[in-house]
Amino acid sequence: GAVVSQHPSWVICKSGTSVKIECRSLDFQATTMFWYRQFPKQSLMLMATSNEGSKATYEQGVEKDKFLINHASLTLSTLTVTSAHPEDSSFYICSARGQLVWSPLHFGNGTRLTVT
Amino acid sequence: EDQVTQSPEALRLQEGESSSLNCSYTVSGLRGLFWYRQDPGKGPEFLFTLYSAGEEKEKERLKATLTKKESFLHITAPKPEDSATYLCAVQARGGGTASKLTFGTGTRLQVTL
Repeated sequence: GAVVSQHPSWVICKSGTSVKIECRSLDFQATTMFWYRQFPKQSLMLMATSNEGSKATYEQGVEKDKFLINHASLTLSTLTVTSAHPEDSSFYICSARGQLVWSPLHFGNGTRLTVT
Repeated sequence: EDQVTQSPEALRLQEGESSSLNCSYTVSGLRGLFWYRQDPGKGPEFLFTLYSAGEEKEKERLKATLTKKESFLHITAPKPEDSATYLCAVQARGGGTASKLTFGTGTRLQVTL
């Protein structure tokens, strides 16, 4: 149980275009989803927290107009990287927590974004 | 501010050579301490949650323990397939389901034949 599916697993896009990444909880309802960014050989950097039906909360230094997050249902959250630039190239990982506050986070398998 | 420090940064073991990974933490009221395993190019895989000092959890060759200041992940007779980065994270009380995890930078474990 507790499977989180993230799609696509990798994407290459041209500078200036937008890319949407989907994160789905397959067998549980996710009250809260978290979006992380990870640089090579570094730990996870939290970008934003989203609750179903409400606006996402962004961490300091993360541009909310660049990284649009939508959490439309209890099983789906999306991250859209708008007007992508090469410096946005990274590994993006979503995670989801069930409806109990002490539930662990379950992670998707990440999306490798390369902006050319 | 919550902090998590993991050591060593990297560890190389021979198959069958047991060892321990350390996770030291400071948190304003611990709700839970989590261990994850991350393979290259993949998302972290949940291993254990520990909630209070003295608690222990086991899964195959892995055993996690918790004190008021640190957690250890003991690996007994490791195999090459145990090679991965092991991440420790803490969750503070408060904030409901939106409460964040604070992650350490991980220990990269390599197990050789």
